[in-house]
Amino acid sequence: DAGVTQSPTHLIKTRGQQVTLRCSPKSGHDTVSWYQQALGQGPQFIFQYYEEEERQRGNFPDRFSGHQFPNYSSELNVNALLLGDSALYLCASSFGDELNEKLFFGSGTQLSVL
Amino acid sequence: DQQVKQNSPSLSVQEGRISILNCDYTNSMFDYFLWYKKYPAEGPTFLISISSIKDKNEDGRFTVFLNKSAKHLSLHIVPSQPGDSAVYFCAASYMEYGNKLVFGAGTILRVKS
Repeated sequence: DAGVTQSPTHLIKTRGQQVTLRCSPKSGHDTVSWYQQALGQGPQFIFQYYEEEERQRGNFPDRFSGHQFPNYSSELNVNALLLGDSALYLCASSFGDELNEKLFFGSGTQLSVL
Repeated sequence: DQQVKQNSPSLSVQEGRISILNCDYTNSMFDYFLWYKKYPAEGPTFLISISSIKDKNEDGRFTVFLNKSAKHLSLHIVPSQPGDSAVYFCAASYMEYGNKLVFGAGTILRVKS
């Protein structure tokens, strides 16, 4: 049973570019959350998708957008990249409103913005 | 606004001894707390949790204590093993947040053999 898978594992972009990160949830899960982990910090909640709609959003600008597909996989898009967007982007999946310990994380995508 | 704080960036402990990791929070609405462990190149994995209606939860070598009046929780690992060496994150949530978590900055634990 594959867990949460993310692609790519590493990515290098330049300022002003756009990037798309992908996530496949754990089998049986229908909810996907995205987190940004800057160097030396804990993960910070970006947004959560359920039934192909954004259900919750953290304190991130509109440059950060997402999408959830009918198969529950998800994409995170970041436009007009800034140097400060360099971070590890983590995807987490769960089933509906299950308790938090049922939240499973992927290994992340390391984004470097030059 | 750091709602969850882990003030010790790192901790070094001898194998077999107790490891104590601390976490403080400021938002009194938090009612659910979790600890995650993270190895390099892997995502965080759930370790143990505690609801605000309890003051202690135990799972094998891991025990979490919650002091609501002090807005403080701690994770005890006894006995510590070299395989416990990882980054430990404290996280908090409350019902209206659903399963959105607020994380601390993490503590690097090194268990020396």
